[in-house]
Amino acid sequence: GENVEQHPSTLSVQEGDSAVIKCTYSDSASNYFPWYKQELGKRPQLIIDIRSNVGEKKDQRIAVTLNKTAKHFSLHITETQPEDSAVYFCAANHPHTGNQFYFGTGTSLTVIP
Amino acid sequence: SQTIHQWPATLVQPVGSPLSLECTVEGTSNPNLYWYRQAAGRGLQLLFYSVGIGQISSEVPQNLSASRPQDRQFILSSKKLLLSDSGFYLCAWSPARGRSIYEQYFGPGTRLTVT
Repeated sequence: GENVEQHPSTLSVQEGDSAVIKCTYSDSASNYFPWYKQELGKRPQLIIDIRSNVGEKKDQRIAVTLNKTAKHFSLHITETQPEDSAVYFCAANHPHTGNQFYFGTGTSLTVIP
Repeated sequence: SQTIHQWPATLVQPVGSPLSLECTVEGTSNPNLYWYRQAAGRGLQLLFYSVGIGQISSEVPQNLSASRPQDRQFILSSKKLLLSDSGFYLCAWSPARGRSIYEQYFGPGTRLTVT
């Protein structure tokens, strides 16, 4: 099955700096790569996603890049704010029956005011 | 718009007791449905998924089972809980067709503590 690895597991940045989280996947059939943000005790919320026919996608302060050849994708958050502090999860899908997601182990991001 | 519900929100159960968690989705038809478990401070583990009524696929062998008795209802069950079943149980749905076919949206979750 799919194996998704995520790094780093924890990340601290000063407010206003950028944060980068990286993931790798193993299944070349995966064609959809979402990122979720989970605040303490809450459900994961989809914040951005990218499909395999696109190399980069941006939404205000967040962007995601995808390198299909190397099987890795990254989340970039610019001008970080304290409210960006949360756990972030990447995932890769198995695009056949059921479109299952396989998640990375998460990155705990702390933005220091 | 679509809404996903889970209940109960929290549950404390003794080891060996049965379990039934329910998930329902409103505002869509024939969704794909998923059960995930998140242990404390850990990632999301896919337990079961369903592409239609009565169609259940299991990802991880365990003492849990799932059923989909209606199109928008997904139930997670156990006959005898183990301590290791403690965690945050999340139901998710995705559209079966359309532009957003790949997106998954999570319910509010059930926090289960097995004592």
